[in-house]
Amino acid sequence: GEDVEQSLFLSVREGDSSVINCTYTDSSSTYLYWYKQEPGAGLQLLTYIFSNMDMKQDQRLTVLLNKKDKHLSLRIADTQTGDSAIYFCAESTIYNQGGKLIFGQGTELSVKP
Amino acid sequence: DVKVTQSSRYLVKRTGEKVFLECVQDMDHENMFWYRQDPGLGLRLIYFSYDVKMKEKGDIPEGYSVSREKKERFSLILESASTNQTSMYLCASSFGPRDRAYEQYFGPGTRLTVT
Repeated sequence: GEDVEQSLFLSVREGDSSVINCTYTDSSSTYLYWYKQEPGAGLQLLTYIFSNMDMKQDQRLTVLLNKKDKHLSLRIADTQTGDSAIYFCAESTIYNQGGKLIFGQGTELSVKP
Repeated sequence: DVKVTQSSRYLVKRTGEKVFLECVQDMDHENMFWYRQDPGLGLRLIYFSYDVKMKEKGDIPEGYSVSREKKERFSLILESASTNQTSMYLCASSFGPRDRAYEQYFGPGTRLTVT
């Protein structure tokens, strides 16, 4: 079945770049997403990429998609303490019913001053 | 601004009680979802609905039921709460097929403790 995998923790220093990685198994994925969850809050969509794209940039965020390896990454440039949160990767497919997303386990990003 | 609200932020219930978690969205979204979030497991889909009175099982429906009588409201019901249902419950909504990006908007979550 469909599966999305992420590492659970990442720690970086303020000002460094963060790279959060994700792998997925469903080759029919059409959209891939990055969501952010701040402490005590729900999830908020950061960005998404259509499967026919390799890269998408939005200010400090860069998303890279390697379809051959089914690998997605989120790079945060100049990471700030306010970026500390849990980041979830998710996918949807063309066989989707009702807009269902498959989420990874989430990567907890800790930014140290 | 899209708003998804959940009836409680924190809830404590006893084993065997019937529990209702309510979710309301104000964006006229067709799709609504209930997830539970547990450390190291990410979000797991319990049930979803893509229209009024329609419901579909997600990955972990056992012990739960849902109700969608109105488009804006989606209720999650724990028929007889058990301690292994202690978790964070998240509600989400999204547009239907006309928006193929299927961006989901989330509520703030309800942290349920069953003692």
